[in-house]
Amino acid sequence: GAVVSQHPSWVICKSGTSVKIECRSLDFQATTMFWYRQFPKQSLMLMATSNEGSKATYEQGVEKDKFLINHASLTLSTLTVTSAHPEDSSFYICSARASSGQGFNEQFFGPGTRLTVL
Amino acid sequence: AQSVTQPDIHITVSEGASLELRCNYSYGATPYLFWYVQSPGQGLQLLLKYFSGDTLVQGIKGFEAEFKRSQSSFNLRKPSVHWSDAAEYFCAVVLLRNTDKLIFGTGTRLQVFP
Repeated sequence: GAVVSQHPSWVICKSGTSVKIECRSLDFQATTMFWYRQFPKQSLMLMATSNEGSKATYEQGVEKDKFLINHASLTLSTLTVTSAHPEDSSFYICSARASSGQGFNEQFFGPGTRLTVL
Repeated sequence: AQSVTQPDIHITVSEGASLELRCNYSYGATPYLFWYVQSPGQGLQLLLKYFSGDTLVQGIKGFEAEFKRSQSSFNLRKPSVHWSDAAEYFCAVVLLRNTDKLIFGTGTRLQVFP
């Protein structure tokens, strides 16, 4: 159980275009989803936290107008990179959390999406 | 500065050898501590976690980790490495115990030779 998928697994696009990445929880309902960015040989950096049905909370330094996040259902969140540029090329990873109860709730991670902007 | 440090970027071991991956944190209070493994094409998988209590934590795949408060460390160990353990390993912390915000170390790439 607790499987998270991402689509696509990789995408190549031209500079100036927009790209949408989907994150789905396949066998549980995710009240919260997280989006991370991972540069080569570096750590995962949290970009934003999204709760189903509400606006995402972005981390400091992340442009909310550039990285649009939608969490319209309990099993799907999308990240849209708008007007992508080569510096947006990266590995984008989502995670999903099942419950918002007290205490730590484990996040389950998707396999990631490799974005290359030409 | 507050941080999670994994001093070893890359480690190579022979199959069957023991393994220890280092993780140090620099925060005022003891955070929640985690180790994740990242294999190509797969999502990060939680190996083990420490919240409180027994400082030696057992995880999946034969891994264990020991929390040492005096050293602000949470090192991951395995007595005998298998070729399938080759992957990227991340130490992570949750600082605020009323949130689930994970802060990751820079990772250690493990290579296993037959």
